[in-house]
Amino acid sequence: EPEVTQTPSHQVTQMGQEVILRCVPISNHLYFYWYRQILGQKVEFLVSFYNNEISEKSEIFDDQFSVERPDGSNFTLKIRSTKLEDSAMYFCASSDTEMNTEAFFGQGTRLTVV
Amino acid sequence: AQTVTQSQPEMSVQEAETVTLSCTYDTSESDYYLFWYKQPPSRQMILVIRQEAYKQQNATENRFSVNFQKAAKSFSLKISDSQLGDAAMYFCAYDRGSTLGRLYFGRGTQLTVWP
Repeated sequence: EPEVTQTPSHQVTQMGQEVILRCVPISNHLYFYWYRQILGQKVEFLVSFYNNEISEKSEIFDDQFSVERPDGSNFTLKIRSTKLEDSAMYFCASSDTEMNTEAFFGQGTRLTVV
Repeated sequence: AQTVTQSQPEMSVQEAETVTLSCTYDTSESDYYLFWYKQPPSRQMILVIRQEAYKQQNATENRFSVNFQKAAKSFSLKISDSQLGDAAMYFCAYDRGSTLGRLYFGRGTQLTVWP
């Protein structure tokens, strides 16, 4: 069964460092998303991406964040200068329809900023 | 603004029994989608069931069914014949049905299943 794959599963980084979280969406999907979940809190939308550009972003997705689809398979989230409050579980998701009737989520990357 | 509320932070059920998880939402849209996602200890988000707002019939997936009350903006999940593997965090989510595909999540309900 096709699945969304995220790497690494856990990343520890020092405050102020740049991190790149990687995702391989399901191959025929065209719509990509990043969500985050701070421990004990709800899952929050960060950004959606389609046709090589951002479709929508939340207020969380400030200038420190960027997304990219560098090739035909990967979808990345970059945090330029990490802060302690960026520590969270980051989920990538993809969908094959513009209506997002079912988004498939990856297993998440746990980011710990120290 | 779209909000999703899950008023039960924790629920528990005996194995083989039935449990209902509550969810309410707020929207001014007439067409949208509602979802229940399961998050086991592995933290992966797994889709349990989906409901289209324009459908009056409640969605059912094996032991999982929903009670969708559009006028009341209520979307509860019923798990029948509960199994130990059902233990997880359950999130209710809303999609306004636009092309942007943004999901709004509730805070989740932690379900414990007792043997």
